[in-house]
Amino acid sequence: GAVVSQHPSWVICKSGTSVKIECRSLDFQATTMFWYRQFPKQSLMLMATSNEGSKATYEQGVEKDKFLINHASLTLSTLTVTSAHPEDSSFYICSAWGSRGAGITEAFFGQGTRLTVV
Amino acid sequence: LAKTTQPISMDSYEGQEVNITCSHNNIATNDYITWYQQFPSQGPRFIIQGYKTKVTNEVASLFIPADRKSSTLSLPRVSLSDTAVYYCLVAEGSGNTGKLIFGQGTTLQVKP
Repeated sequence: GAVVSQHPSWVICKSGTSVKIECRSLDFQATTMFWYRQFPKQSLMLMATSNEGSKATYEQGVEKDKFLINHASLTLSTLTVTSAHPEDSSFYICSAWGSRGAGITEAFFGQGTRLTVV
Repeated sequence: LAKTTQPISMDSYEGQEVNITCSHNNIATNDYITWYQQFPSQGPRFIIQGYKTKVTNEVASLFIPADRKSSTLSLPRVSLSDTAVYYCLVAEGSGNTGKLIFGQGTTLQVKP
């Protein structure tokens, strides 16, 4: 079945540096991918919709210059957290729509990336 | 804003059947209802999806009344490993490929 893979699973970075998170659709093509952020004990919050070959669409309140999204191919989207600060520490998750057969289309989620900014 | 409302938490015991109900009063004609399960520090995992009436797979059943304004996820004979957060979602956008807006989910605690 369809699989979405994220890399890295966790990362620790110093305040002020930038971090790139990759999201890959392993056996299917995804023209659209979604990026979420999740704080402890909270639900997933949609940050942006990544569109292959065009600019990402950001949700209200999400800084596009801080969270750079690139979707250069049908199987790869990247999220770069620029000038990271401790408040950006969170669990970042990507997803993409795929098919599991039998006429069912579902959103497949990556395993998530734990970002800790120190 | 999320299009769904669920109880924040539920407790159960091993071996019991658990039913989690979700309200989605403004569901659109093209929207499907999908339930996901999430364990700590993992991405959500698909459980079941439906449009109307009843759907059953190897892990759960989904009951959707005719007006589709609510749905109920039924987990038969839960075990400790079913302790997780369960999210009810409806797709936003055309067809079944729009963005998914998560509500608060239901934290299910299964006790021995």
